Amino acid sequence: AQSVTQLDSQVPVFEEAPVELRCNYSSSVSVYLFWYVQYPNQGLQLLLKYLSGSTLVKGINGFEAEFNKSQTSFHLRKPSVHISDTAEYFCAVSVGNTDKLIFGTGTRLQVFP
Amino acid sequence: DADVTQTPRNRITKTGKRIMLECSQTKGHDRMYWYRQDPGLGLRLIYYSFDVKDINKGEISDGYSVSRQAQAKFSLSLESAIPNQTALYFCATSELTSGDQETQYFGPGTRLLVL
Repeated sequence: AQSVTQLDSQVPVFEEAPVELRCNYSSSVSVYLFWYVQYPNQGLQLLLKYLSGSTLVKGINGFEAEFNKSQTSFHLRKPSVHISDTAEYFCAVSVGNTDKLIFGTGTRLQVFP
Repeated sequence: DADVTQTPRNRITKTGKRIMLECSQTKGHDRMYWYRQDPGLGLRLIYYSFDVKDINKGEISDGYSVSRQAQAKFSLSLESAIPNQTALYFCATSELTSGDQETQYFGPGTRLLVL
């Protein structure tokens, strides 16, 4: 069975510092990988996704993620965070063409001035 | 206008009551989903529907039922609400295409409190 692990439940960081949110998955077959962001009192919106091709994926708001098949990871990074990046971030995986997402438990990123 | 809408946005109900949460979408997608979000647990899939005649149980369907009244509408019912169904509920839609495979689009959520 597929699963997603987000190792950090909370990540506090100062504004303009770099940040990495970690995500590992387990699957015996090929997967598609996603990062969603949930701003306070809002629904989820897609940050970026990896389907195939280049392992470095660029998303909205300056975020990027790198797919590492050997380490089964899809960590999210941003070189310089802003206060407005404060949100909860969810990593998700879908398998083949099942169109079902399995979500991690989320990482709350809090950016301090 | 929002592509995926949910009503109500907030609801308080009592144990044992029947309640329906509604989801509508204007994206023209065939696939619709209901999730619940609990602190520390992320999102868990309750039910999903790949078209009007196709309904499938998700990870945590017990205590819930759904109805796909039309391509654009997918409602979630709690026949007899219980306190541990207090959560934030999200509806989502998707369409499997080569250009946008697997991306799901979420509604704003319904916050449900069962007393």
